[in-house]
Amino acid sequence: EAGVVQSPRYKIIEKKQPVAFWCNPISGHNTLYWYLQNLGQGPELLIRYENEEAVDDSQLPKDRFSAERLKGVDSTLKIQPAELGDSAVYLCASSLAVTGELFFGEGSRLTVL
Amino acid sequence: GESVGLHLPTLSVQEGDNSIINCAYSNSASDYFIWYKQESGKGPQFIIDIRSNMDKRQGQRVTVLLNKTVKHLSLQIAATQPGDSAVYFCAETGRNTGNQFYFGTGTSLTVIP
Repeated sequence: EAGVVQSPRYKIIEKKQPVAFWCNPISGHNTLYWYLQNLGQGPELLIRYENEEAVDDSQLPKDRFSAERLKGVDSTLKIQPAELGDSAVYLCASSLAVTGELFFGEGSRLTVL
Repeated sequence: GESVGLHLPTLSVQEGDNSIINCAYSNSASDYFIWYKQESGKGPQFIIDIRSNMDKRQGQRVTVLLNKTVKHLSLQIAATQPGDSAVYFCAETGRNTGNQFYFGTGTSLTVIP
């Protein structure tokens, strides 16, 4: 069974440039999460989807971050414009139920120069 | 936000010894806890979980203990192997947090051959 797939694995951009990350969750998982992980820290939730609905986006910096999950399957996280402090790993996770175990992808490592 | 903390940021153990990683949580209403293992450059990987109606749960070489009285969680790894070297995170969730998972900072485990 395929796990959570993320791309790109690595991205280096200059500040003020846009960047987008893509995630395909495990088949059948209705709940999808985007997490931010800074070096040496645990993951922090950015947004959670139940199917195509964002049910928790309170920690998403909406001035520059946006996300979508149009058909309730794969999702895109966008940053525009990127700032130096956005350098981090962006993790996508999915779960079968909102109260269930999270399955993580390998993450997308962003470096903003 | 919630506070999920780890007592020790780093832990070194000799191969073959047992490892104990501790985690304190602050939300007494949390009812589901997960331990994750994260190897360098990879996403967190599920190790073992426990619900609040249990005090102990065992897996293959791993045991999780939950002490709700003092809000403490521990992960015990038996006969630690070099492949166990990684960062370990505890995560908690509960209905009063909208089932959002909160992750601790992590403990870096190094196994000495």
